Amino acid sequence: SAVISQKPSRDICQRGTSLTIQCQVDSQVTMMFWYRQQPGQSLTLIATANQGSEATYESGFVIDKFPISRPNLTFSTLTVSNMSPEDSSIYLCSYQEGAGNQPQHFGDGTRLSIL
Amino acid sequence: EDQVTQSPEALRLQEGESSSLNCSYTVSGLRGLFWYRQDPGKGPEFLFTLYSAGEEKEKERLKATLTKKESFLHITAPKPEDSATYLCAVQPSGNTPLVFGKGTRLSVIA
Repeated sequence: SAVISQKPSRDICQRGTSLTIQCQVDSQVTMMFWYRQQPGQSLTLIATANQGSEATYESGFVIDKFPISRPNLTFSTLTVSNMSPEDSSIYLCSYQEGAGNQPQHFGDGTRLSIL
Repeated sequence: EDQVTQSPEALRLQEGESSSLNCSYTVSGLRGLFWYRQDPGKGPEFLFTLYSAGEEKEKERLKATLTKKESFLHITAPKPEDSATYLCAVQPSGNTPLVFGKGTRLSVIA
């Protein structure tokens, strides 16, 4: 499977600011995903990022708060905008091998704390 | 509503003490069930995919099985390095996203 990396690995930010998280895969992949993982909770899908089209957001997540870019088949970014302490979480990106019932592979996440 | 429930939430084993983790699911048409391992500070690492009831997969001390309602991850003679959180996820039919359980935190004590 392809190697997937995220940066930054962690950050501490002030409320009201924005942070962009980068996700890089070392080979071309069709589907990339962004998740949020909060302590004691399931991974929650924020959006699906496909190259050449707008990201598809899940219920409870909006583009103004979590804008996503997917400029090519190996890279995506997630921005967390106008941050508040409730945005403190781990943000994970993943990619999927091939068709819809193939496994996803995850980066190591970005640990974000908002003061 | 598609749902995944993992039990127990936490499990503490002595080294060599075999046990099983459970993943119960209700989903509208199962396209696949996935097991992941997650170490502290890391992302989930893919272990197994199961597609149909009766299917089994093995890797070292781990064996995953699947029925129409649940999956088990059997750990045989675990070692301390097997300590991690094990996540289960299901892929429903259609264009719906993966549904994850909350995980089982496994601690294996030497």
